[in-house]
Amino acid sequence: ETGVTQTPRHLVMGMTNKKSLKCEQHLGHNAMYWYKQSAKKPLELMFVYNFKEQTENNSVPSRFSPECPNSSHLFLHLHTLQPEDSALYLCASSQDHFGGGNTIYFGEGSWLTVV
Amino acid sequence: GENVEQHPSTLSVQEGDSAVIKCTYSDSASNYFPWYKQELGKRPQLIIDIRSNVGEKKDQRIAVTLNKTAKHFSLHITETQPEDSAVYFCAAPRANAGKSTFGDGTTLTVKP
Repeated sequence: ETGVTQTPRHLVMGMTNKKSLKCEQHLGHNAMYWYKQSAKKPLELMFVYNFKEQTENNSVPSRFSPECPNSSHLFLHLHTLQPEDSALYLCASSQDHFGGGNTIYFGEGSWLTVV
Repeated sequence: GENVEQHPSTLSVQEGDSAVIKCTYSDSASNYFPWYKQELGKRPQLIIDIRSNVGEKKDQRIAVTLNKTAKHFSLHITETQPEDSAVYFCAAPRANAGKSTFGDGTTLTVKP
């Protein structure tokens, strides 16, 4: 299944590094999401983009910077992260915003370790 | 904002028994209630959903029931099998809002 693909699958970065996570969806959807999954909060919404416009920022620290150049691509730029940011980052998409009763399709996730 | 509470956090059953997971929500405007299953090391995937104009929906061994008055909905799995072992998440997104609030998940273990 290649509906939503994420790269890299695994990333180890130092606290002073700058890296990016990439997500691409091949489903023709208009909404894309970033979720953080950790033991503390299993599915925590970070950002929502609907028709390339950011519609939700769930009080995410500025060291996480999303970018949505078009409806098919979503990036999460990472800068000066903390060890507690280590988690699985899931990208997802839906036809349009989830509140409209649309199924969310998740990617496989990117495992991030901050050292 | 929306608050979704999911119980229990862990559930262990014998193969062949039934399993029930319950979610309560706070926003009366919520009108769509999906359940997602996440197997170990894999992505969450939708397994069943229900809309507010329906009280119950079945798909083979799984069913979802909705009580809008009491603001709760439940996932029912009958004749459980080891492959049902996974983490299950409910959600109760608000109508016309991008924000999706998931429950904290229920880890279901089916013992053979």
